Amino acid sequence: AQSVTQLGSHVSVSEGALVLLRCNYSSSVPPYLFWYVQYPNQGLQLLLKYTSAATLVKGINGFEAEFKKSETSFHLTKPSAHMSDAAEYFCAVSGGGGTSYGKLTFGQGTILTVHP
Amino acid sequence: GAVVSQHPSRVICKSGTSVKIECRSLDFQATTMFWYRQFPKQSLMLMATSNEGSKATYEQGVEKDKFLINHASLTLSTLTVTSAHPEDSSFYICSAYDRGRVTEAFFGQGTRLTVV
Repeated sequence: AQSVTQLGSHVSVSEGALVLLRCNYSSSVPPYLFWYVQYPNQGLQLLLKYTSAATLVKGINGFEAEFKKSETSFHLTKPSAHMSDAAEYFCAVSGGGGTSYGKLTFGQGTILTVHP
Repeated sequence: GAVVSQHPSRVICKSGTSVKIECRSLDFQATTMFWYRQFPKQSLMLMATSNEGSKATYEQGVEKDKFLINHASLTLSTLTVTSAHPEDSSFYICSAYDRGRVTEAFFGQGTRLTVV
């Protein structure tokens, strides 16, 4: 069984400030971890993924995340927020082999607001 | 990246009618597709796993007779909401799994269903 907990349903930062979105996971098998961004009434765009290679993962738009097995965490960061980063972010986990890699369990989502 | 097209993006239907949503993988063969449902301001919940040429596997609590899934080809899965009611109004998103890229599934743009 797998689960994801995103700490903080809403995060607000100023433009240019550090973005930190927290994600903790639980998985009975080695996980694959993902961060997605969703804009209103749109689908999901993959920001980055961890697939058991490097623990520090760099994604699109300046985002990165670090897989910490000891902390069961996969927090998303960006050094400097931009107004266009305002959206909802979802952390997700998959695993178990075969088609289970495509079957995702999502966290509750975090809405990021960026202030001028 | 791989492209998944979902159609329609928005649909309004009358209560009691049926609505079909299509999910197509445009540039790869998707042996497995997943259907998610997202209620307003909530996360995505997996409804069912659709495997080409076989019956879909539904998650607990999802009515298989209400949400009919067909995956007749390697590039197309359909979700039919039968006898729709206002409580079925939601955002439905599909994802497709490319067995050549075992580490992720690709998402469609989503369908906003409103039942009046």
